[in-house]
Amino acid sequence: ETGVTQTPRHLVMGMTNKKSLKCEQHLGHNAMYWYKQSAKKPLELMFVYSLEERVENNSVPSRFSPECPNSSHLFLHLHTLQPEDSALYLCASSQDSDRHYEQYFGPGTRLTVT
Amino acid sequence: TQLLEQSPQFLSIQEGENLTVYCNSSSVFSSLQWYRQEPGEGPVLLVTVVTGGEVKKLKRLTFQFGDARKDSSLHITAAQPGDTGLYLCAGGLYSGYALNFGKGTSLLVTP
Repeated sequence: ETGVTQTPRHLVMGMTNKKSLKCEQHLGHNAMYWYKQSAKKPLELMFVYSLEERVENNSVPSRFSPECPNSSHLFLHLHTLQPEDSALYLCASSQDSDRHYEQYFGPGTRLTVT
Repeated sequence: TQLLEQSPQFLSIQEGENLTVYCNSSSVFSSLQWYRQEPGEGPVLLVTVVTGGEVKKLKRLTFQFGDARKDSSLHITAAQPGDTGLYLCAGGLYSGYALNFGKGTSLLVTP
């Protein structure tokens, strides 16, 4: 595997379900990110991790819970989501968490909340 | 508040035509990146510009960073169907961790 991988690629869940999104980067990077991409909106940064420590949390509802067990893996735990949470969730990594570093994105998880 | 405005929002052209898309802001950025995103995939980095007035070329794509570091443009010469996709610009401010993304320009090139 190369680059940034995400699983699952598609997920349909009910509002009462609990699910997790997984991201893995094979680039030796120190920083990882979760973004939300909705139709007609810019990419929204959700969380930033640098060397497994969360360094930014952009007022994301608590129904989204990130976890970074090591610098290669990032999870997004989901529970009691709302239909408006349906979106493409993108994971990215970069050499470091400084905004100047180029970010490499995974293919995303298309989430539908019913 | 959206920092980066991209125009046009949609563009449909025929193969062989030239086009320019724009990324504008009232903020000054320390760097600016362009990405292309194809349906069902994540954005792929095309280029990073860091110096005001900088011009970078990537085959048929020419990127320019404004002198004041507030705007950028992407010019495609002789567009091909493979250029179809969503073009996103993203800027890094002088503080903070985040890249600020525009909404993108959706380009369709038909044969």
